[in-house]
Parts: sequence; structure tokens; C-alpha cells
Amino acid sequence: DQQVKQNSPSLSVQEGRISILNCDYTNSMFDYFLWYKKYPAEGPTFLISISSIKDKNEDGRFTVFLNKSAKHLSLHIVPSQPGDSAVYFCAASDPGNQFYFGTGTSLTVIP
Amino acid sequence: EAGVTQFPSHSVIEKGQTVTLRCDPISGHDNLYWYRRVMGKEIKFLLHFVKESKQDESGMPNNRFLAERTGGTYSTLKVQPAELEDSGVYFCASSPYWTGSYNEQFFGPGTRLTVL
Repeated sequence: DQQVKQNSPSLSVQEGRISILNCDYTNSMFDYFLWYKKYPAEGPTFLISISSIKDKNEDGRFTVFLNKSAKHLSLHIVPSQPGDSAVYFCAASDPGNQFYFGTGTSLTVIP
Repeated sequence: EAGVTQFPSHSVIEKGQTVTLRCDPISGHDNLYWYRRVMGKEIKFLLHFVKESKQDESGMPNNRFLAERTGGTYSTLKVQPAELEDSGVYFCASSPYWTGSYNEQFFGPGTRLTVL
């Protein structure tokens, strides 16, 4: 049973525009949410996180929004750049620090 | 500081053979995790070591998989005998001593295993 879901396998956006990646989860016990970025032949690298007690966290061009009532989070990238093209994984951490990942969304930023 | 390393990067074996994957965590990290991603699916948790002890192995698919962490340093994941459905990318991750709250995990590049 998948506890973290990314329903969009792929997304294409024009350079300079906003990229919005979405993620839904089912377990209300998750206390941290993370986004990882993965390039081909590399491991996932940490991008940004948010605590379950917050609803927004911003780091440069990247902002993560959390809607606990809807069990939904999203990653906004503004402005999108070609180097942002990668697979983005949404992840959630339970109080035991066990991570649960979504299936990933492949983002392509078109120059 | 060196990151998490994994060996080999690729492995192609035949069904019924044995394969051993190795992970070297970041030096000083007590926690070591194994994950697997089957084609197009989510990255799924396999097990968690704290130093040399298995903290949680609830994600191990069956008894064909054996993980060890000698002396609390590097870890190996052995698949014996390998089956077709074992194909995928095996990731290792490590994190520092757990303080009781969220602790970022650093991932290795993965080992791509293909079972023919």
C-alpha cells in the first residue's frame, strides 16, 4: 500500500515559467516531508524539506507548500531553468525516521 | 567529505545466480539504509542498520535477501538466488546519529541490477 503518491509521471514547462509538482500522502503520522532531485545514474539528492507544523518553506527558487487537511504537498520552482530537468521524488518521514517515497515526476524544462 | 558510495554501479546476472552489493556510508554515520526502485515504481525501503545492528528489516522482500554491516562500517546486500523480479536499482543511504527527530538521509548513486 503506497503511502506517498505522485500522480503525474512527467511534466514539461518552458524555461522561466513556474513548475508545480504535486504529492499526496495517506499517513497522518508523517512529521517531515522532503523533496529529492535525481539525475540519471546518480542517487537522489536532498532539495528541500518542510516540517508538518509548517505550511510553507522557501529556499531560493524552490518553495514547498503543505496542506495537512488535504494531505497534499507541492513543490514550486520559479523561474524554472533547463538544469532543473530531473526526476523529483516526494518523500515523507515518520517519527522513526523511516522514509516513504513517491514514484517520482520527471520534469523537463524546455529552453 | 566523500559521499555514500556503492559498488558495483551495474550488475547483470542470470536467474539463480548470487550477487552481492556493497555500500560504504559517509564516515561516522551510524544509520545505514537500503532501498530499492523497481522500474517506474517508488523507491521502497528495505532495511535500516544502526551501527552493526538491524534496526528494521520489515521491507526485505523474502529470505533470498541477506544484509550485513560488518563492524558498523560498510554494508553488503546479498541476493541468493536471484530472481527476475529482483531487477531494479538498489540505493543505499546514510545519516548521522539519530537525535529523535528528522534526520536527512544522504543517498548513494545506486547499483542497477538486471537479472536475466
